[in-house]
Amino acid sequence: QKEVEQDPGPLSVPEGAIVSLNCTYSNSAFQYFMWYRQYSRKGPELLMYTYSSGNKEDGRFTAQVDKSSKYISLFIRDSQPSDSATYLCAMSELGTGNQFYFGTGTSLTVIP
Amino acid sequence: EPEVTQTPSHQVTQMGQEVILRCVPISNHLYFYWYRQILGQKVEFLVSFYNNEISEKSEIFDDQFSVERPDGSNFTLKIRSTKLEDSAMYFCASTDPRGQYFGPGTRLTVT
Repeated sequence: QKEVEQDPGPLSVPEGAIVSLNCTYSNSAFQYFMWYRQYSRKGPELLMYTYSSGNKEDGRFTAQVDKSSKYISLFIRDSQPSDSATYLCAMSELGTGNQFYFGTGTSLTVIP
Repeated sequence: EPEVTQTPSHQVTQMGQEVILRCVPISNHLYFYWYRQILGQKVEFLVSFYNNEISEKSEIFDDQFSVERPDGSNFTLKIRSTKLEDSAMYFCASTDPRGQYFGPGTRLTVT
């Protein structure tokens, strides 16, 4: 059963562009959602952590959750070459202590 | 800023051998996790640990795997008899209310 679906890309954008990354999921019980950035052969780096539906903003990053559509997004404004990485979404029913399910990751390249 | 640390960064072992992967979670975190990522595939949950016992485990975490917190700082994953298909990156993570933080990983190569 594919719990979390994520378009693997690759996605290539010019510097300064707005990037939209998305995940869909099948389990309506998911309530906790995270976005990670992963550079090649490194550990995932937490970007955003949200609970339930709505928006959350942190600097150039905005996370959106639409539980009715089972769809989450990460927007990156004013993208930089240093944003080039793989972006992973992860989600869980109960949060802390509970299993998090990851998407396959979307590979992003920001071209200077 | 505090970080999750893991040792070794790379472990090569022969099939059938036991390996122990070590992690030092962030000091005030209470929940700890092990994940693995086979090259080119998803990050997969193995186990979560709280208050010196397993909180949840996945189907991957069978009898050949065990976890332990032998002291106040270390958190270990033992694989009793490694198989070729255990070759992967193994990530430790710990959580606080702001989220789940990963270590840099241990690359396990089983030959």
